[in-house]
Amino acid sequence: NAGVTQTPKFRILKIGQSMTLQCTQDMNHNYMYWYRQDPGMGLKLIYYSVGAGITDKGEVPNGYNVSRSTTEDFPLRLELAAPSQTSVYFCASSYLAGGAIPLAKNIQYFGAGTRLSVL
Amino acid sequence: RKEVEQDPGPFNVPEGATVAFNCTYSNSASQSFFWYRQDCRKEPKLLMSVYSSGNEDGRFTAQLNRASQYISLLIRDSKLSDSATYLCVVIQYGNKLVFGAGTILRVKS
Repeated sequence: NAGVTQTPKFRILKIGQSMTLQCTQDMNHNYMYWYRQDPGMGLKLIYYSVGAGITDKGEVPNGYNVSRSTTEDFPLRLELAAPSQTSVYFCASSYLAGGAIPLAKNIQYFGAGTRLSVL
Repeated sequence: RKEVEQDPGPFNVPEGATVAFNCTYSNSASQSFFWYRQDCRKEPKLLMSVYSSGNEDGRFTAQLNRASQYISLLIRDSKLSDSATYLCVVIQYGNKLVFGAGTILRVKS
């Protein structure tokens, strides 16, 4: 019963370093998302993907990149880490049928999160 | 004005109490509404969808008021295990999800 799996769970980076946060799901969901959650704040969408080969920016994409080469995997890349990127990162997935999108069905399943500190 | 606003709390209530949270949204074109629950240092999980006619799931009741643009969550007979942060989620046109910052609930024995 894996669901959405994120690695690593914790990471400390130095300013300017780069890293990739991994996310994989085994539910055959077409939609995948990356969020960040700062203390006392709601989740903010970084990037999302509606299917393999298709990605789009969310609310806070600057400083991040994504790719979606397979249905299962949606890695998030930080190229030049900055202290402002210290946060908890959540990956999520959902399944939405084509055509008229049943919005009421957009239930998101989240990974356990990656706690990132940039010092 | 934030797109989705919640009272951050914390709401400190004794076991067995009834507690209600409200959430307001600014975009009148918002189409779907949910409550998610997030335990400390854990990922959010769906608690319940919110339907126009209101809906109940055990001790939890969700209501939607489109005219006033708010949704509510009522928890009856609070349990210690209900202690968590409750996130209001609104889906806008184009399948854009917007999360509120959450309301903290602490149930004490």
